[in-house]
Amino acid sequence: ETGVTQSPTHLIKTRGQQVTLRCSSQSGHNTVSWYQQALGQGPQFIFQYYREEENGRGNFPPRFSGLQFPNYSSELNVNALELDDSALYLCASSFSGTGTFYTFGSGTRLTVV
Amino acid sequence: GNSVTQMEGPVTLSEEAFLTINCTYTATGYPSLFWYVQYPGEGLQLLLKATKADDKGSNKGFEATYRKETTSFHLEKGSVQVSDSAVYFCALSEGNYGQNFVFGPGTRLSVLP
Repeated sequence: ETGVTQSPTHLIKTRGQQVTLRCSSQSGHNTVSWYQQALGQGPQFIFQYYREEENGRGNFPPRFSGLQFPNYSSELNVNALELDDSALYLCASSFSGTGTFYTFGSGTRLTVV
Repeated sequence: GNSVTQMEGPVTLSEEAFLTINCTYTATGYPSLFWYVQYPGEGLQLLLKATKADDKGSNKGFEATYRKETTSFHLEKGSVQVSDSAVYFCALSEGNYGQNFVFGPGTRLSVLP
């Protein structure tokens, strides 16, 4: 049974550019959540996808968008990158869609310069 | 909105010392409570959880009790090891289905041999 896989592991982008981060959920999981973890802080909820539909969203602007595919993998897209978007982006998957049985990936470290 | 507060770190202890990391929360209703651990370069791992008042979560020698009257979920371990060095996050679940987490800022623990 594989865990949650995120790619790439590290990324450097220039302010104003767009970025796509990818997440392969754990086998059998149908729910994916994305979190942003700034340096020295706790993760903050961006949004969740359940069976390809957005199932909740945190306090992030519309330039943060996502997709979930039929195989339950997911993408996080961020447009018009800002310096403050520099963070570790964590993906977590679950089967039940509740906050009990999530498996987290190791994250993508995004640096915006 | 809901929030989680943790004691400031870093916490430095000698091996076999007693550990307490304080966590208090503010929430509407009765959320589930969690402790997650993050080792260097890795994602979050669920350490323990409690879903209702007076529940005690335990794992790997760590314990925490859901105290509704004091809105607290303090993490304790009787004898820490060097391998326990990590960042510890207290969290609660929110949303209509408890589908997302609100994390505290994290407490870095260093255990010296």
